[in-house]
Amino acid sequence: ETGVTQTPRHLVMGMTNKKSLKCEQHLGHNAMYWYKQSAKKPLELMFVYNFKEQTENNSVPSRFSPECPNSSHLFLHLHTLQPEDSALYLCASSQAPGSFNEKLFFGSGTQLSVL
Amino acid sequence: DAKTTQPTSMDCAEGRAANLPCNHSTISGNEYVYWYRQIHSQGPQYIIHGLKNNETNEMASLIITEDRKSSTLILPHATLRDTAVYYCIVRGDMEYGNKLVFGAGTILRVKS
Repeated sequence: ETGVTQTPRHLVMGMTNKKSLKCEQHLGHNAMYWYKQSAKKPLELMFVYNFKEQTENNSVPSRFSPECPNSSHLFLHLHTLQPEDSALYLCASSQAPGSFNEKLFFGSGTQLSVL
Repeated sequence: DAKTTQPTSMDCAEGRAANLPCNHSTISGNEYVYWYRQIHSQGPQYIIHGLKNNETNEMASLIITEDRKSSTLILPHATLRDTAVYYCIVRGDMEYGNKLVFGAGTILRVKS
């Protein structure tokens, strides 16, 4: 248990569906992150939020839409995805974002399959 | 781009020390070395980080060479639960914001 909870753990969706991934952190952190991990590839940073403000968008296609209503919750809204978007989506949080003592705490991820 | 080089995989006997090497020959003076690990089907877990002095915590020890061009993560008494992918990451300076760039890591297999 890392204090970062992601739901659902598994998701299968069609290319025309709309779904959302949810992340909640119970650590009192100020920054939250979305990472993507495709099969046999390194983790890729997608989005960063600091105090609810988006500070990083790593050239992510618009079919992925993040939302951060407060420092404890992060969503990733999905629509018209492609099969190549199938991956493990990981949420993380941290205190002191950008500092050299920053430690990221990750959730267990949502395994997404797009059919 | 990852700034580190790690072996693709390593094996270790249960109960023995696991020594995971990492090369970071282009590290600059204000960059830290971080280690995370990822157990199958879970998110990465922070292990330890350091600048130039050796560091130790309840999970592992980090040995950084004097020229800082390489480091070794030591798990003193490896268990089967330490089987995971271990990532060595050099953290950029503030110009890079919050980015931790993960490479392919080292697959550590602890065997009984």
